Amino acid sequence: ILNVEQSPQSLHVQEGDSTNFTCSFPSSNFYALHWYRWETAKSPEALFVMTLNGDEKKKGRISATLNTKEGYSYLYIKGSQPEDSATYLCAFNSGGSNYKLTFGKGTLLTVNP
Amino acid sequence: NAGVTQTPKFQVLKTGQSMTLQCAQDMNHNSMYWYRQDPGMGLRLIYYSASEGTTDKGEVPNGYNVSRLNKREFSLRLESAAPSQTSVYFCASSVRGGSGDTQYFGPGTRLTVL
Repeated sequence: ILNVEQSPQSLHVQEGDSTNFTCSFPSSNFYALHWYRWETAKSPEALFVMTLNGDEKKKGRISATLNTKEGYSYLYIKGSQPEDSATYLCAFNSGGSNYKLTFGKGTLLTVNP
Repeated sequence: NAGVTQTPKFQVLKTGQSMTLQCAQDMNHNSMYWYRQDPGMGLRLIYYSASEGTTDKGEVPNGYNVSRLNKREFSLRLESAAPSQTSVYFCASSVRGGSGDTQYFGPGTRLTVL
């Protein structure tokens, strides 16, 4: 069973704060790392798919980095807004003919106005 | 495009009853997936279908069956529901499957088994 860990489990920040959280995954047999954003009562929405060591992706105020050698990815949110409140999920895949994503339990971010 | 749709949105069953959860996508995706979400757990894969005509077990397949009816539709059946199957079920699809492929999720079905 693959182990994908996310930390912290939950996080409260004030509007305007910048924040980051971590996804740890097996460093062997890496193929792709996905980030999803999941708002309450909605379905998960894809943020990034990262495949190369050193990858850095950005979408608006949200960015992510990837270190496959040590098995971690960081998600950063700059200038958090209340609408950023959501659970952020990462998911790992080991490639080949393997279609399966192994999800972490997520980091629940609450941004207070 | 409606994306990925699921029916029903909510369902309450008694232990031993059967039901089928329906999922359809209109994005011409080849691969489809069923997940369950339980408190304190990540999304766990129940079954997936890499392409029309194929299905494979995921992490937690026991107690479930699936049918890939055609390219658009992928159903999940509970033959004899148990309280341990109380969960939120999500269907997802992706263009071609494979590890770098983004999955698009439906709105979920909240199932309670009494």
